[in-house]
Amino acid sequence: GENVGLHLPTLSVQEGDNSIINCAYSNSASDYFIWYKQESGKGPQFIIDIRSNMDKRQGQRVTVLLNKTVKHLSLQIAATQPGDSAVYFCAETYTGNQFYFGTGTSLTVIP
Amino acid sequence: GAGVSQSPSNKVTEKGKDVELRCDPISGHTALYWYRQSLGQGLEFLIYFQGNSAPDKSGLPSDRFSAERTGGSVSTLTIQRTQQEDSAVYLCASSSGVRGYGYTFGSGTRLTVV
Repeated sequence: GENVGLHLPTLSVQEGDNSIINCAYSNSASDYFIWYKQESGKGPQFIIDIRSNMDKRQGQRVTVLLNKTVKHLSLQIAATQPGDSAVYFCAETYTGNQFYFGTGTSLTVIP
Repeated sequence: GAGVSQSPSNKVTEKGKDVELRCDPISGHTALYWYRQSLGQGLEFLIYFQGNSAPDKSGLPSDRFSAERTGGSVSTLTIQRTQQEDSAVYLCASSSGVRGYGYTFGSGTRLTVV
């Protein structure tokens, strides 16, 4: 399968701090990337996406950065809140139809 | 429907029994995917349906696993002669099939084989 991996399996941050979750991908042909958030007992939910013709995209409190040179993707969450505690997955595609998912990073926000 | 619906949400079955898991995708979504998620693990691709094309079954782990999609809508994942290692959350997702758009996932079926 694809080698979409995350540098850290767990991450703990203080409430109010910024969080950075990293992801490495191996297929240089991948041209579309998504970050998903999965809360306990639920399916993954779309957070933010980015296409390969961009290196940064911002949403509400979240920013995704793409570095194609080193095949690295990161998700930044500003002012992390307890509700942000979840597992975060990055996903890539080069077919446009099938996505390959990383193992996930578990984010715990400490009140 | 408004979202991807999966049923049952939980299923406990005895080893050796067959199980059927159902997925009802978002109306109009032509692509449907099944993934398996073991405890603390990532998403393992199982099978992919796109319109009337032959499904991509490359992720099915054994011939005990099969899936069908009737009328281009509802899909059923069948696991025959279940084994304990089949215990996992089975996630279904659908998408519009248009390149550049992601999936919408259901909440999954948690399968426990005892």
